[in-house]
Amino acid sequence: DVKVTQSSRYLVKRTGEKVFLECVQDMDHENMFWYRQDPGLGLRLIYFSYDVKMKEKGDIPEGYSVSREKKERFSLILESASTNQTSMYLCASSGGGSKNIQYFGAGTRLSVL
Amino acid sequence: AQRVTQPEKLLSVFKGAPVELKCNYSYSGSPELFWYVQYSRQRLQLLLRHISRESIKGFTADLNKGETSFHLKKPFAQEEDSAMYYCALSSASKIIFGSGTRLSIRP
Repeated sequence: DVKVTQSSRYLVKRTGEKVFLECVQDMDHENMFWYRQDPGLGLRLIYFSYDVKMKEKGDIPEGYSVSREKKERFSLILESASTNQTSMYLCASSGGGSKNIQYFGAGTRLSVL
Repeated sequence: AQRVTQPEKLLSVFKGAPVELKCNYSYSGSPELFWYVQYSRQRLQLLLRHISRESIKGFTADLNKGETSFHLKKPFAQEEDSAMYYCALSSASKIIFGSGTRLSIRP
């Protein structure tokens, strides 16, 4: 069974803080993704990565950056958190024989005050 | 542009009634389409994909290329079907998601 683990279920941060969201997968997947999930907007892709040290911008990368130093770990970074980044953040991975199927973490609900 | 449209934000039906969640897409080429589901307090997970042509939890979805649709259907709704449903399209190892439909089954 694929396991995608996000380090925090809930986070509360203050405006201007630097925030790290961590994601680890245990299936040796090449591809990893960060989304934010907002009511009425569905899932919007922030960044993704096809390989170690590689990153690609998604649809809404502004205000975010990512890091992928190891294959199993993909970090999302909010350099200076703002209130409009309050959201549910989902990490996903895909790869192997079913590269088009994504497996999701439980999500991190971030509140920026 | 590649896009997935789910026109209904909320669909409420009675238990035992038929369910149809609508999904339309725009894509140049041969699309691979999926339905993902998120039950309350659970993670988002794959429900079914069009190439599998299988029924999962009583749900089926047929790809209609002429109408560019991939509607999700179930003949008799059950209370445990209440969830958030997302239609999705695969494009170069990325997934494009629709905005989602919340299905509520009334007893």
